[in-house]
Amino acid sequence: QKEVEQDPGPLSVPEGAIVSLNCTYSNSAFQYFMWYRQYSRKGPELLMYTYSSGNKEDGRFTAQVDKSSKYISLFIRDSQPSDSATYLCAMSEAGANSKLTFGKGITLSVRP
Amino acid sequence: KAGVTQTPRYLIKTRGQQVTLSCSPISGHRSVSWYQQTPGQGLQFLFEYFSETQRNKGNFPGRFSGRQFSNSRSEMNVSTLELGDSALYLCASSTTGGGLGYTFGSGTRLTVV
Repeated sequence: QKEVEQDPGPLSVPEGAIVSLNCTYSNSAFQYFMWYRQYSRKGPELLMYTYSSGNKEDGRFTAQVDKSSKYISLFIRDSQPSDSATYLCAMSEAGANSKLTFGKGITLSVRP
Repeated sequence: KAGVTQTPRYLIKTRGQQVTLSCSPISGHRSVSWYQQTPGQGLQFLFEYFSETQRNKGNFPGRFSGRQFSNSRSEMNVSTLELGDSALYLCASSTTGGGLGYTFGSGTRLTVV
């Protein structure tokens, strides 16, 4: 079992839809939870990060972490064609020596 | 400010050869991490350097190595290339490392034929 599992997709939605992206994990030591967005031929860029459990909102994006269920989600409201990209969840333990462990990513396409 | 710069952007090598990839971090960033991205495995951690010292290492064979210079620029080297080494190699820099505050470069696309 991989440490981080992410729905493989791909996912295609109409413009304006609410998108829900999810990851599960097995390592209880993970403390930081992140969502990255990666456009074609580009490196990943950080969208949101959350420390421990809870919700965080930034514009049309909401990140949720449920450590008891080892489950994280990213919600995108009023999705736009410009949101079309690959979305990767990532997690790390606390500590300066920690590394990021990524899900495989899901490719989202928002149809105009 | 300038982002993370990786060179070259694309590379084609033959099995058995070796290759060196370069990463220039954001000015002031002392931590540089390397990741391999493939369709089958996703992003996998290779290693992290901080102030010229390797601080963390992933589960890759010894053919994969790296170093960091006093100006924080980093190189990674892959010797005796195999077809399975074909991937996008991403470099990320941050001020302190630890997975937070990463800024990724656009990567080097390596194709082994």
